[in-house]
Amino acid sequence: GAVVSQHPSRVICKSGTSVKIECRSLDFQATTMFWYRQFPKKSLMLMATSNEGSKATYEQGVEKDKFLINHASLTLSTLTVTSAHPEDSSFYICSASGRYLWKQETQYFGPGTRLLVL
Amino acid sequence: QQQVKQSPQSLIVQKGGISIINCAYENTAFDYFPWYQQFPGKGPALLIAIRPDVSEKKEGRFTISFNKSAKQFSLHIMDSQPGDSATYFCAARGLEGSARQLTFGSGTQLTVLP
Repeated sequence: GAVVSQHPSRVICKSGTSVKIECRSLDFQATTMFWYRQFPKKSLMLMATSNEGSKATYEQGVEKDKFLINHASLTLSTLTVTSAHPEDSSFYICSASGRYLWKQETQYFGPGTRLLVL
Repeated sequence: QQQVKQSPQSLIVQKGGISIINCAYENTAFDYFPWYQQFPGKGPALLIAIRPDVSEKKEGRFTISFNKSAKQFSLHIMDSQPGDSATYFCAARGLEGSARQLTFGSGTQLTVLP
């Protein structure tokens, strides 16, 4: 199946710093990428959807100036958490769908990035 | 109308038993229903998916049963194994508008006892 990678897998940073998380589709062209946030023992919460070359669409309640999303190519999307605070600590998961042999746009998930803000 | 309700929240099954997780939806625009398996600290992995034109789909020990009139679908794990212990999420997606995004259920934490 299709592979989506994320980097880093975990990051610890000080409050006030910015953190960039990369999401790559390794063997297909990801026309759409999604960023989710997941709290312990909770379901996935969609933060934003981005199409290659266009601005991301953010879900209600998600601060676009705090969570900067760039989808510059068909294989790479980045999420930057700006001026991170302890409440931003969470598990961030990207997902991608696109042209990959299937009739329907199956959505594949990355392994997630654990962010801890001290 | 975007909700997908999942139950139970947690499930404990003996090895070799059948695990059953249920989901219900309201939005009739949904036409794709995947199940994801997630291990701790990992991203969700697609397990099996179904479209509403069939009532059942089986892949190995995993079966989805779909009831379009009741707007319900369920995951059955036959001969459950300790390695199946994970969190399972149902999801739904449609083709148009806001339904195009995957809507997830709340998750079921499955524990299979050895």
